Amino acid sequence: NAGVTQTPKFRILKIGQSMTLQCTQDMNHNYMYWYRQDPGMGLKLIYYSVGAGITDKGEVPNGYNVSRSTTEDFPLRLELAAPSQTSVYFCASSHDRVAFFGQGTRLTVV
Amino acid sequence: GIQVEQSPPDLILQEGANSTLRCNFSDSVNNLQWFHQNPWGQLINLFYIPSGTKQNGRLSATTVATERYSLLYISSSQTTDSGVYFCAVEASGTYKYIFGTGTRLKVLA
Repeated sequence: NAGVTQTPKFRILKIGQSMTLQCTQDMNHNYMYWYRQDPGMGLKLIYYSVGAGITDKGEVPNGYNVSRSTTEDFPLRLELAAPSQTSVYFCASSHDRVAFFGQGTRLTVV
Repeated sequence: GIQVEQSPPDLILQEGANSTLRCNFSDSVNNLQWFHQNPWGQLINLFYIPSGTKQNGRLSATTVATERYSLLYISSSQTTDSGVYFCAVEASGTYKYIFGTGTRLKVLA
């Protein structure tokens, strides 16, 4: 039982490049979330999903896209990377309202 | 949207001291959780506490939903308690967990 797994752990992107941050969970949780955490700050909700095929915007969705084709996977897509997207990205899933977090992806856009 | 404020923003303690961290929220909530983010960035779920009081070892938490606040108590603090403590709330009628501003705790040996 691996919990919530994020890949990659680290990534450097050039401005304008695109990439997908992967998130998978093996707990059969319906609810999944993407957050970003800027240095010294709290976590901001980017997108969330209440089940396969259903996604909705959080507090800071601009510049990102998500999909939820299966219960297990919730990838986050950056289409045109910008320096403002330099951050640590956390994926989470929840069951009975208790959230479990992945280890995070540290992304730098240069 | 709902606002979640935590106090104090920073706290330095000597090992063995007790502390109280506060989380205020601006609207009614379905759920509330406390998390500890360790110095390596990992987020650990401490309590799921939409109301009432819970205890786990040296940590305990109380949420008074009608007055829109929650408290996290740390007793006999240890250096391993260092890190950032976040509360996160799920506003009523939503499925979104919104995080507070955090309290950065440093426990000195």
